[in-house]
Amino acid sequence: AQRVTQPEKLLSVFKGAPVELKCNYSYSGSPELFWYVQYSRQRLQLLLRHISRESIKGFTADLNKGETSFHLKKPFAQEEDSAMYYCALRSYNQGGKLIFGQGTELSVKP
Amino acid sequence: DVKVTQSSRYLVKRTGEKVFLECVQDMDHENMFWYRQDPGLGLRLIYFSYDVKMKEKGDIPEGYSVSREKKERFSLILESASTNQTSMYLCASSFFPSLLPQGTEAFFGQGTRLTVV
Repeated sequence: AQRVTQPEKLLSVFKGAPVELKCNYSYSGSPELFWYVQYSRQRLQLLLRHISRESIKGFTADLNKGETSFHLKKPFAQEEDSAMYYCALRSYNQGGKLIFGQGTELSVKP
Repeated sequence: DVKVTQSSRYLVKRTGEKVFLECVQDMDHENMFWYRQDPGLGLRLIYFSYDVKMKEKGDIPEGYSVSREKKERFSLILESASTNQTSMYLCASSFFPSLLPQGTEAFFGQGTRLTVV
């Protein structure tokens, strides 16, 4: 069965500190993985996807198939990074099913 | 810009009422999804659709049904609303998964906060 696990409900760091939001998944196949972000009072929106291997707003995420992980990292957190972050998994079969983890609230303190 | 529009931002309904939540997208997306968002539980998939009149159960379909009569519209129905269905409901749409380099991003509506009293 598909599953996405984000073990931390809340992550609190100081401005300038490194950040790592953890995401583990279970899926028998090659999934498509995403990180979505929801800023206060805004819609959920895509942050980045593993296929494009891009860095967005200083965030990167590497797919580790051996450890079935897709952790989100940023070397120097900014206050404007404070938001809810969701890891998501999509299968190429099963009708395009898209599932999310429980979410991690990132709080960056000044 | 892609637009996913949910018909209401806030709804208050009574226990036992039949409730309709509407979602419309304008990007000709094949896939549409309904989630509920609860603190500590994240986004849980209720139902999704990959084509007109096609629907698939998600992880928590009990107490809900859906309808997709036109490609752009996906409706969530609470057959008999209960207090434990008080939640934020999110609709999303995307193209069907493919191996294109850009992947397949899902776009979200603004959400409907439903309160059942």
